[in-house]
Amino acid sequence: ETGVTQTPRHLVMGMTNKKSLKCEQHLGHNAMYWYKQSAKKPLELMFVYSLEERVENNSVPSRFSPECPNSSHLFLHLHTLQPEDSALYLCASSQGTEKNQPQHFGDGTRLSIL
Amino acid sequence: SQELEQSPQSLIVQEGKNLTINCTSSKTLYGLYWYKQKYGEGLIFLMMLQKGGEEKSHEKITAKLDEKKQQSSLHITASQPSHAGIYLCGARGGSNYKLTFGKGTLLTVNP
Repeated sequence: ETGVTQTPRHLVMGMTNKKSLKCEQHLGHNAMYWYKQSAKKPLELMFVYSLEERVENNSVPSRFSPECPNSSHLFLHLHTLQPEDSALYLCASSQGTEKNQPQHFGDGTRLSIL
Repeated sequence: SQELEQSPQSLIVQEGKNLTINCTSSKTLYGLYWYKQKYGEGLIFLMMLQKGGEEKSHEKITAKLDEKKQQSSLHITASQPSHAGIYLCGARGGSNYKLTFGKGTLLTVNP
């Protein structure tokens, strides 16, 4: 699927760096999500935006800061990360947040913290 | 909070064989989603099941939802190497937008 595009695909950063992950959806959806996928653990929902408003902040540390400037774009700003933050970060979008709307995922950003 | 348990955790089959993957929820299912993931890549949406007894098929993959048992099964007929990957089930509990996922089932299909 190319409906949800994430950049960069891979990112290596030091603990003191500041970087941003970008997600863009071309599906006309109005809800976007950030998930974290760590080895041998289920996907963890981090943030949900519906109509550009944050509707879910799943007890995520403040070193992760999301931004949704419009319904097509979602960012995840990173600063002062820890080694345990190394993971695959996945963005998803859906047409609304109703129960019958599936979420469509991007290919993720593989993040490695040195 | 809702938890999803997938079984088996991993599966190796010979090409052409049939297989079944199960997903069991700790709470009532309000919708069940099946996804496939290639290692290090995103999730590809396969199917969504909403009603008890519902069954859907896409090519050689069939999924069923047994709402009373809070369980769903994914069945692949005549498996091919292209079916290899990680199969994940996701479900909504009472929340509109929060999807809870299982840990996944790693499928290997040997030619």
